[in-house]
Amino acid sequence: DAKTTQPPSMDCAEGRAANLPCNHSTISGNEYVYWYRQIHSQGPQYIIHGLKNNETNEMASLIITEDRKSSTLILPHATLRDTAVYYCIVRVAFMNYGGSQGNLIFGKGTKLSVKP
Amino acid sequence: ETGVTQTPRHLVMGMTNKKSLKCEQHLGHNAMYWYKQSAKKPLELMFVYNFKEQTENNSVPSRFSPECPNSSHLFLHLHTLQPEDSALYLCASSQGELGNTEAFFGQGTRLTVV
Repeated sequence: DAKTTQPPSMDCAEGRAANLPCNHSTISGNEYVYWYRQIHSQGPQYIIHGLKNNETNEMASLIITEDRKSSTLILPHATLRDTAVYYCIVRVAFMNYGGSQGNLIFGKGTKLSVKP
Repeated sequence: ETGVTQTPRHLVMGMTNKKSLKCEQHLGHNAMYWYKQSAKKPLELMFVYNFKEQTENNSVPSRFSPECPNSSHLFLHLHTLQPEDSALYLCASSQGELGNTEAFFGQGTRLTVV
């Protein structure tokens, strides 16, 4: 089962920042937070990931709370092409070979609709 | 273009047919995955291969048979499927199974069982 909780849907106006929340209150110290998105009928696309510190790349920023129990994905200037389902996933960082906790387990995600 | 290529993109097959889905990556990754995405359901992890060894089989029915002949290729052999097996089948690869590695997904094969 997915170890994260996300709102099922959100709307955002084009050009504004989209802030997508994720709760992962049972996250372990050795687990990363990953974000992927899936545009309709395509394969999921990696966005960003982090362990403790906030991260930024060309697509988005990831803000992780100090207790690591929640995070927020920020798309600074949303466009219509950002309309997609966004998945927040926790995934173990280090473990013995052959275990399953390193697998990407997807939940239902948040359907983000960017409107003109 | 993610570097993970799946063929065919669309497949219609009868319940008595045998078909295979193919996934290919030339990213130098050593872990490959099959996922299933049914309508209005989350992606379900089916199989995981790491260095050509199967490390995960998520209680998948035997009518789905994976094969990983080398680190660059992954197949999903299908036989005597049911209509409820109609779904988007996605392949992914990553440098390793664990933490600090992102996974790259193919565009998927849209399978319809009639």
